[in-house]
Amino acid sequence: KNEVEQSPQNLTAQEGEFITINCSYSVGISALHWLQQHPGGGIVSLFMLSSGKKKHGRLIATINIQEKHSSLHITASHPRDSAVYICAADPPGANFGNEKLTFGTGTRLTIIP
Amino acid sequence: GAVVSQHPSRVICKSGTSVKIECRSLDFQATTMFWYRQFPKQSLMLMATSNEGSKATYEQGVEKDKFLINHASLTLSTLTVTSAHPEDSSFYICSAAAGPRGYGYTFGSGTRLTVV
Repeated sequence: KNEVEQSPQNLTAQEGEFITINCSYSVGISALHWLQQHPGGGIVSLFMLSSGKKKHGRLIATINIQEKHSSLHITASHPRDSAVYICAADPPGANFGNEKLTFGTGTRLTIIP
Repeated sequence: GAVVSQHPSRVICKSGTSVKIECRSLDFQATTMFWYRQFPKQSLMLMATSNEGSKATYEQGVEKDKFLINHASLTLSTLTVTSAHPEDSSFYICSAAAGPRGYGYTFGSGTRLTVV
């Protein structure tokens, strides 16, 4: 069993739909990261959160520390949101931000016009 | 925001030659750089962690003599794939952390290496 699991592995939706990607982890964390990897391979850091909820534009990330679960939501999805979304657990440590991440296997999202 | 510039984005080289990949932090000092490898449709695999001015720490199974990492300054880290073979063909990507609590990570754009 992976320490960080994502679901679904693949998701295809129509433009405009509300998207939810889930991430469950079994390790201790100082923070949980959500990353977006575009078809060309480049990775963008979307969120880093250790509690509660963060919002940036149409993207919302939530985390429940007690349940060891995080979700990434996309409202009013658009074809340009098509990418692989990866969650990653940042381990506890005094110098948090410099520790090794544990990655989920990613969710491949395709938004159809 | 913080930017890590990675070059080249694509490289094709002949078997037996060496290839150098550079990652530069453009507007911040990267005290730690992580080097990852990614196979098609798989997640990132950490190869090594480099700290400025010291030797890199390699993950188990990664040949340090084959994948040479240099982090000589706070703005530049390099990965050199020596005596490349076709099985080294992969996507390589770096990620930098500046160190302050809560800063997070910034990723390079990646390098697709093809060894022929």
